[in-house]
Amino acid sequence: NAGVMQNPRHLVRRRGQEARLRCSPMKGHSHVYWYRQLPEEGLKFMVYLQKENIIDESGMPKERFSAEFPKEGPSILRIQQVVRGDSAAYFCASSPPTVAGGLAATYNEQFFGPGTRLTVL
Amino acid sequence: DQQVKQNSPSLSVQEGRISILNCDYTNSMFDYFLWYKKYPAEGPTFLISISSIKDKNEDGRFTVFLNKSAKHLSLHIVPSQPGDSAVYFCAASPYSGNTPLVFGKGTRLSVIA
Repeated sequence: NAGVMQNPRHLVRRRGQEARLRCSPMKGHSHVYWYRQLPEEGLKFMVYLQKENIIDESGMPKERFSAEFPKEGPSILRIQQVVRGDSAAYFCASSPPTVAGGLAATYNEQFFGPGTRLTVL
Repeated sequence: DQQVKQNSPSLSVQEGRISILNCDYTNSMFDYFLWYKKYPAEGPTFLISISSIKDKNEDGRFTVFLNKSAKHLSLHIVPSQPGDSAVYFCAASPYSGNTPLVFGKGTRLSVIA
């Protein structure tokens, strides 16, 4: 069972260009999360998606950033008109569907991909 | 406002001794806590977790302790091995199920042979 896949692993863009980061979740996982890690910082939540739906985008900058998780294909994080401050490691995580029923809800562990390191020149 | 704090950026421990990594949180709504381990140029790997209804969870050499009244948790690694050298992130979630995680800044552990 392949893990979470992200590509490209490294991406270099000039200021003003667009960056597209892709994430393929683990097989059977329908929940995708995007996190950003700035140098010397922890991971910061950006957006949580299920197939064709954005569930929570409270961590996304209001402008230039967008995300999608189409019915077919990988999840895409798109950054338009990149600036130097966008340089960071972007991690995608996936988790399985929540199991309905049972005595108590269990936490669904998030499995992380290797990340995409974006450098803006 | 940092809701999950790891106040020690780094820690050095001799091989065979105990490593203790600490984490404090401010949001009393957090219900589930996790530790992730991260090597350079890789994504975080889940290590161990604990629910707020427990005060201890053990998995092999790794034990996590939770003190809800103090809003504090710690990860104990014993005995420490050189392969444990990595950055350890504490993370928290406000409820069960699928929900985003809130991470601390991490502690870099170096285990010296």
